[in-house]
Amino acid sequence: EAGVAQSPRYKIIEKRQSVAFWCNPISGHATLYWYQQILGQGPKLLIQFQNNGVVDDSQLPKDRFSAERLKGVDSTLKIQPAKLEDSAVYLCASRSTGPGTGGAQYFGPGTRLTVT
Amino acid sequence: GNSVTQMEGPVTLSEEAFLTINCTYTATGYPSLFWYVQYPGEGLQLLLKATKADDKGSNKGFEATYRKETTSFHLEKGSVQVSDSAVYFCALSDRPFMKTSYDKVIFGPGTSLSVIP
Repeated sequence: EAGVAQSPRYKIIEKRQSVAFWCNPISGHATLYWYQQILGQGPKLLIQFQNNGVVDDSQLPKDRFSAERLKGVDSTLKIQPAKLEDSAVYLCASRSTGPGTGGAQYFGPGTRLTVT
Repeated sequence: GNSVTQMEGPVTLSEEAFLTINCTYTATGYPSLFWYVQYPGEGLQLLLKATKADDKGSNKGFEATYRKETTSFHLEKGSVQVSDSAVYFCALSDRPFMKTSYDKVIFGPGTSLSVIP
């Protein structure tokens, strides 16, 4: 079974520029997550999708971050405009089981973003 | 709200030493508990999990027991190897409210482990 795919793996941009990250979850996984992981910290949930609907975006900085999951499969996370503090690894994860069953998440390799 | 607390690192051990990484949690419901591992330069991987009280998760020689009375899920390994050097994250998955239809996942800050020959 193919794992969670993410691209690009690395991105360097200047502040105030825009950037987009792409994620393709494991086939059949209904739940998709985007996390921000700052160096030395645990992953922080940005947004969670159930199929193509958003179920939790309470920690997404909506003035600059946006995400979509058209057709309930792959997803795109965008930052516009980027700030220096957005430098982090952006992780995508997916999960196969439905809500309330305690299913584990499967993570992609992440995209390391550097904002200069 | 829900939270996960882990022992601070970094932890440095000699090969074949005994490992314990403490994890405690607070949750309003009946969470599932997980340990994830992140090897250098890689994404997070599930190490083990437990979905109810007194369950023991185990994998690759690591074990953790879901202790509801102490709200803990400590990770242990009897004899660590150099290849176990990584960052270990404790996490919980819980429903934030009884009527919601999704699980909220919270990660601890991670504990860095270095094993020296």
